Amino acid sequence: EVQLVESGGILVQPGGSLRLSCAASGFTFSSYGMNWVRQAPGKGLEWVSYISSTGSTIFYADSVRGRFTISRDNAKNSLYLQMNSLSAEETAVYYCARTLTTVTTLDYWGQGSLVTVSS
Amino acid sequence: QSALTQPASVSGSPGQSITISCTGTDSDVGGYNYVSWFQQHPGKAPKLMIYDVSNRPSGVSHRFSGSKSGNTASLTISGLQAEDEAHYYCNSFTATSTLVVFGGGTKLTVL
Repeated sequence: EVQLVESGGILVQPGGSLRLSCAASGFTFSSYGMNWVRQAPGKGLEWVSYISSTGSTIFYADSVRGRFTISRDNAKNSLYLQMNSLSAEETAVYYCARTLTTVTTLDYWGQGSLVTVSS
Repeated sequence: QSALTQPASVSGSPGQSITISCTGTDSDVGGYNYVSWFQQHPGKAPKLMIYDVSNRPSGVSHRFSGSKSGNTASLTISGLQAEDEAHYYCNSFTATSTLVVFGGGTKLTVL
């Protein structure tokens, strides 16, 4: 069974930093591209970042480029998102999601990790 | 403001069919056959229902179908059931610096 489990979401002050993790199991992690998608409370989905199976190709949404860094450790079956210079508007549930074929085809999602940015 | 436009809400009675639209531009929906649809129940993670405009993942009911005409993609749910009540989101590949854009979401109410 495919499982994605996010962790690391906490309360952080504006301007602060945080690293999210996503532990994968039930599939060959090193064969799939992975994504981070976020959802502000009561709002819609926003794609954040993509990393290819080997980590050689990375993309970011305009809203986070230069502040967020996606990475992965295939030996540990883990995906990461380093977030810097956080603002209150980035309070959201952050989901990791697996890419099935193209970057828009997110076939498995974790349960999400809540990041709250507030003073 | 979301990059893709969806109606805020749609409704239908059990057994009926409904269609949710997702309108973009030539740079996203109209330019590529990379549109997916997701179902999200309250407090749950999204679930992939349709990918690449009209493909259904294994395990998704045949009552769900997708199509595209020009810059508008559509999700049709036939034989509405109470369990279909949820939010639905579309996304698309986009030829801009942001790789993927989502619609604002549509709340489906089964009357």
